[in-house]
Amino acid sequence: AQSVTQLDSQVPVFEEAPVELRCNYSSSVSVYLFWYVQYPNQGLQLLLKYLSGSTLVKGINGFEAEFNKSQTSFHLRKPSVHISDTAEYFCAVTFASGTYKYIFGTGTRLKVLA
Amino acid sequence: GAVVSQHPSWVICKSGTSVKIECRSLDFQATTMFWYRQFPKQSLMLMATSNEGSKATYEQGVEKDKFLINHASLTLSTLTVTSAHPEDSSFYICSAPIAGGSYNEQFFGPGTRLTVL
Repeated sequence: AQSVTQLDSQVPVFEEAPVELRCNYSSSVSVYLFWYVQYPNQGLQLLLKYLSGSTLVKGINGFEAEFNKSQTSFHLRKPSVHISDTAEYFCAVTFASGTYKYIFGTGTRLKVLA
Repeated sequence: GAVVSQHPSWVICKSGTSVKIECRSLDFQATTMFWYRQFPKQSLMLMATSNEGSKATYEQGVEKDKFLINHASLTLSTLTVTSAHPEDSSFYICSAPIAGGSYNEQFFGPGTRLTVL
């Protein structure tokens, strides 16, 4: 069965430090991958997506992610975080064939400390 | 970019009453919309797929008679929580891909927080 795993439920990091939020998926078919950010009491905002092509994807707010097919991973990175990056981050997968439903990971709460 | 709105943004109701939540695609047509619920500090769980002009498709374990979905136009889907109970309190989020476009990206509404007393 298809699934998405975000191993870290919470990640505390100091301001201006780098951060990596991990995402692994399991699927027997080709996938499309997404990272979304959710601020308190708000909907989801797309950070970046991987559909095809270059495995290194750059998104908004200085975030980037790398698709690694052999490791079935799509980790999100930012070289220097800001207080305003404090939020919940969700990795999501949809499949190149089928119903195109999204499967979300359980989320990672990024807490940026001053 | 494509914008999806939801109304209301929050609602408080008494147990046993029904609540309707609207999801609108403001600048594009959406033949399909998705409804999710999110409990505090948890992920989004897909409840149902709303199809314009036809019946919604519900995920396993979701009561179709309790969560009524209507997709009467290409820009509007509604979710009605019937006979709401406190355990229905949650954050409900809708999303929509652009009709005729790729389903690779869905655009999410801002969510509706339902509190049932």
